Amino acid sequence: EVQLLESGGGLVQPGGSLRLSCAASGFTFTNYAMNWVRQAPGKGLEWVSASGTGANTYYADSVKGRFTISRDSSMNILYLQMDSLGAEDTAVYYCAKAATSSGKYAHFDYWGQGTLVTVSS
Amino acid sequence: DIVLTQSPGTLSLSPGERATLSCRTSQRVTNSYLAWYQQRPGQAPRLLIYDASNRATGIPDRFSGSGSGTDFTLTISRLKPEDFAVYYCQHYGSPPTTFGQGTKVEIK
Repeated sequence: EVQLLESGGGLVQPGGSLRLSCAASGFTFTNYAMNWVRQAPGKGLEWVSASGTGANTYYADSVKGRFTISRDSSMNILYLQMDSLGAEDTAVYYCAKAATSSGKYAHFDYWGQGTLVTVSS
Repeated sequence: DIVLTQSPGTLSLSPGERATLSCRTSQRVTNSYLAWYQQRPGQAPRLLIYDASNRATGIPDRFSGSGSGTDFTLTISRLKPEDFAVYYCQHYGSPPTTFGQGTKVEIK
């Protein structure tokens, strides 16, 4: 059974940093791209970043230069390092498994339950 | 970026009725790379349909997807109580992937 468990969310001040983690199990982690998708309170879904099976990474324009995605394939963990956070980054952050190895052309077949990030003073 | 516009914003129906949800894209979607997700309150999204018309694993056959190019449809043939939720479409034919704003299916 595929399981994705996010952690690391919380309250952070504007300009601060936070690192999210997603522990994956139930599938061969190295064979699939992994993504972060966020949802601001009461709003829709916004793709944030993807990590392909190689070293390729992709980012939404809204987070480029501030967020860094990475993966530890020995531990089956996906990370999202978030720097220079602003109020507009307040959202539930979901870890989502891509259905393929592609970081660019994939739908998401499994999602974690999400972790809430609140940026506020 | 490709913009996805879902309609209607809210659909008020009774259990047993048919629901038809629309997703229109601002550009043609390559290979019909369009997916539909269901999100119940307080839960993560769940994949329903991928490649416009393929049901995901474990999804009941009352859910069906159709369309190509720029016009796509999700149909729920006979609504069950657990189907009242928000539905999102997503394109993944060209980066970056984007989502529609969602259609809420509520109990009438």
